Amino acid sequence: AQKVTQTQTSISVMEKTTVTMDCVYETQDSSYFLFWYKQTASGEIVFLIRQDSYKKENATVGHYSLNFQKPKSSIGLIITATQIEDSAVYFCAMTRTGGYKVVFGSGTRLLVSP
Amino acid sequence: EAAVTQSPRNKVAVTGGKVTLSCNQTNNHNNMYWYRQDTGHGLRLIHYSYGAGSTEKGDIPDGYKASRPSQENFSLILELATPSQTSVYFCASEDRAEQFFGPGTRLTVL
Repeated sequence: AQKVTQTQTSISVMEKTTVTMDCVYETQDSSYFLFWYKQTASGEIVFLIRQDSYKKENATVGHYSLNFQKPKSSIGLIITATQIEDSAVYFCAMTRTGGYKVVFGSGTRLLVSP
Repeated sequence: EAAVTQSPRNKVAVTGGKVTLSCNQTNNHNNMYWYRQDTGHGLRLIHYSYGAGSTEKGDIPDGYKASRPSQENFSLILELATPSQTSVYFCASEDRAEQFFGPGTRLTVL
């Protein structure tokens, strides 16, 4: 069975700094997808970024990037030049390639202060 | 225009009552999902569907039924609601492993 663990319950940073959120996963599958989702204060959940397990290059989208360390089963989310509106809860998730079930971590709350 | 919508957005039910949560998607995605979100647990999968007419049990299906009468609609049914089912429920559709979430339904069972 797959498992996703986010040990950081909450993080506080100052605006315009860089923050890293940790996520480790467990899986028996050789091919899988890793994701990060953002849940805003209004409750809306949106997809941010994705890493395919067979790709060595770290995914980057805007000011979001991933630190994929496959030997450590780790997929960290890096947010550079943080903005107030980045304040939210961030969920790490995974699914096996061709699978239907997505397993989510418990989330990390990020607070960005001016 | 929102592609995944849920109704109602808020619901108060009585213990033992029947509750139906509805989800509609205009993405034309085959796969749809129902999750519940509770503090400290993230999102937990209740039921999912591969397409019209199919429903599959997720990780926490007990006390819930699902119905997928069409590509667009996926319902979650609580036949006998209990206070432990008080939660926020999210529906999602999926395309190439990426999930598109609805706005959520806050259910309170008294």
